[in-house]
Amino acid sequence: SAVISQKPSRDICQRGTSLTIQCQVDSQVTMMFWYRQQPGQSLTLIATANQGSEATYESGFVIDKFPISRPNLTFSTLTVSNMSPEDSSIYLCSVGVRTMNTEAFFGQGTRLTVV
Amino acid sequence: GENVEQHPSTLSVQEGDSAVIKCTYSDSASNYFPWYKQELGKGPQLIIDIRSNVGEKKDQRIAVTLNKTAKHFSLHITETQPEDSAVYFCAASLIQGAQKLVFGQGTRLTINP
Repeated sequence: SAVISQKPSRDICQRGTSLTIQCQVDSQVTMMFWYRQQPGQSLTLIATANQGSEATYESGFVIDKFPISRPNLTFSTLTVSNMSPEDSSIYLCSVGVRTMNTEAFFGQGTRLTVV
Repeated sequence: GENVEQHPSTLSVQEGDSAVIKCTYSDSASNYFPWYKQELGKGPQLIIDIRSNVGEKKDQRIAVTLNKTAKHFSLHITETQPEDSAVYFCAASLIQGAQKLVFGQGTRLTINP
């Protein structure tokens, strides 16, 4: 399995500002993903974080709004830029472990409230 | 793209009874179907999964069934316990890239003592 740590666990931010969320894994992983879970809703994939190259974004999500970095095999960041109240959600990091080619492990999430 | 529908959105059962949650998917190419349990304030945790070459899989009190023809799959929890109370999500993907998941809307399961 993989142990995933996300920071911060929660934050309250002013509209118009940006927040960077960190995801640290205790082992090297092949795949890292970022999901959004809006209040009371399901999880939606934002993007795949690619090591050493630009992230791959899903329909409806753009790099200018959600820039992602992945400098190595154990760490990634997601920035939520120019925030509005509609960005209030839980943001989750997910990883696929090299030796287990199907199971996706999730971090505990970052609960973001934009006021 | 893939679309996953999940029902019911809420489910309340008496402790010891069984609970069933159903999902349908739209993309016949999907071949991997995991179920996740999410407790309050935590990330989703995989509880069971099934691949399209299998019709049923069981792990103690939890079982999943898959009907490829009808494109639906179900989660069955028997002898429910209070600690089974949580939100359950079904998901679908291709095995190649299986961590890239499309989730259902979730079912809030409450076990009444």
